[in-house]
Amino acid sequence: KQEVTQIPAALSVPEGENLVLNCSFTDSAIYNLQWFRQDPGKGLTSLLLIQSSQREQTSGRLNASLDKSSGRSTLYIAASQPGDSATYLCAVNLAMGNTGKLIFGQGTTLQVKP
Amino acid sequence: DVKVTQSSRYLVKRTGEKVFLECVQDMDHENMFWYRQDPGLGLRLIYFSYDVKMKEKGDIPEGYSVSREKKERFSLILESASTNQTSMYLCASSRRTGSETQYFGPGTRLLVL
Repeated sequence: KQEVTQIPAALSVPEGENLVLNCSFTDSAIYNLQWFRQDPGKGLTSLLLIQSSQREQTSGRLNASLDKSSGRSTLYIAASQPGDSATYLCAVNLAMGNTGKLIFGQGTTLQVKP
Repeated sequence: DVKVTQSSRYLVKRTGEKVFLECVQDMDHENMFWYRQDPGLGLRLIYFSYDVKMKEKGDIPEGYSVSREKKERFSLILESASTNQTSMYLCASSRRTGSETQYFGPGTRLLVL
């Protein structure tokens, strides 16, 4: 059974710092991996999606990498800002049939202090 | 922009009531999903649907049912609400291929007294 783990559960950094969030999964047979952001009491917003054939994806200050063989992904945030404070979730896509079922990690809650 | 809307942001219901949570998406997506999110347990899939009138059980379907009569609308039904169904409920949709991201609604926070 696929399990997704995110470490650390919480992280507090000063503004301007570069940081890395970690995600690991137990079964390397994934279709893709996605990173989401969730603000308190809100829904999820997609940040980056990495297909299984890709190694990384970039969007602005965000860079996500994927190493399927070791079952790991990282989300790198450059020059962090207070507005980056949120919970970050990674999810692997099992792609059962056509449904794209996602298995989520429990998230890393990030606080960026001014 | 994809828009996924949920009928209520907050709901308070009594134990034993029948509860309907509605989700509507405007991007003609084939796939729709219902999750619940609880502290310490993360997001768990309740049901999903990949076509009108089609449904599949997720990881925690007990106590829930769903309805998809139209492509854009996916309803979650709590036949007889219980206090352990107090949670945040999130709806999502995506294209059929599964290679694209899921788009989430804002969530419904349900309290069952």
